[in-house]
Amino acid sequence: KNEVEQSPQNLTAQEGEFITINCSYSVGISALHWLQQHPGGGIVSLFMLSSGKKKHGRLIATINIQEKHSSLHITASHPRDSAVYICAVKGNQFYFGTGTSLTVIP
Amino acid sequence: DAGITQSPRHKVTETGTPVTLRCHQTENHRYMYWYRQDPGHGLRLIHYSYGVKDTDKGEVSDGYSVSRSKTEDFLLTLESATSSQTSVYFCAISEAGLNEKLFFGSGTQLSVL
Repeated sequence: KNEVEQSPQNLTAQEGEFITINCSYSVGISALHWLQQHPGGGIVSLFMLSSGKKKHGRLIATINIQEKHSSLHITASHPRDSAVYICAVKGNQFYFGTGTSLTVIP
Repeated sequence: DAGITQSPRHKVTETGTPVTLRCHQTENHRYMYWYRQDPGHGLRLIHYSYGVKDTDKGEVSDGYSVSRSKTEDFLLTLESATSSQTSVYFCAISEAGLNEKLFFGSGTQLSVL
C-alpha cells in the first residue's frame, strides 16, 4: 500500500504551458513537502506546507488538509523545469510518492 | 544549501563484498536517514538515527547496518552486497520541530555485479 499517490506519473508540456501535479495521501500528517530531482542530480526541497498555499516564483503549492490532497502548479513552464517532482508527507515518519517526471519541450 | 556530503558518489562492487557508504553533515541536525531510490518505488527508508548511537530500522533494513558515533557522521554498511542492493542511496538530515525541513545529499550510485 502506498501512503502517498501522485498523478500523473509522466507529463510532457510545451514551453509556456500551465502545469499541475497532484498528490493524495492517506495518513495523518504534520506537513507536506514538494521536492525536485533533476536527472542524475540530488533532491532539493521546493516547499514545505501544512495549510493553505505557498508561492515561490513561478511555482505554487496548495494543500487541502480535509481532503488529504495537494497540488503543485508551475506557471509559464520552461525547459529548465524538466525534472522529477516528488511529494512527501511527514506522519510518524516521512512517506514519499513515486514522483512525477516532467519534460518541458521548447 | 545544507552542508551534507555523501561518499563515494559512485561505487561498483562484487556480490558478497562488504560496502560502506558515508554521510557527513555540518548542520548539527539531530536526525539522519538513509534511503534507497529504485524505479517504480518512492524513496524507501533503510535506517535512521535520532542521535549519537541511537538508530532504528526502516522498512527495508534487511542486509544493512548503520552506525553513528558522532553527530556529523552516519555510516551505512552492506554486510555482504547482493545484486538486489544495486540502487541509488540518499542520505538525508532533518531537525525536528514545527519547521522540519528535509535536506538530501547528492546520492550514491551503487552497482553490485
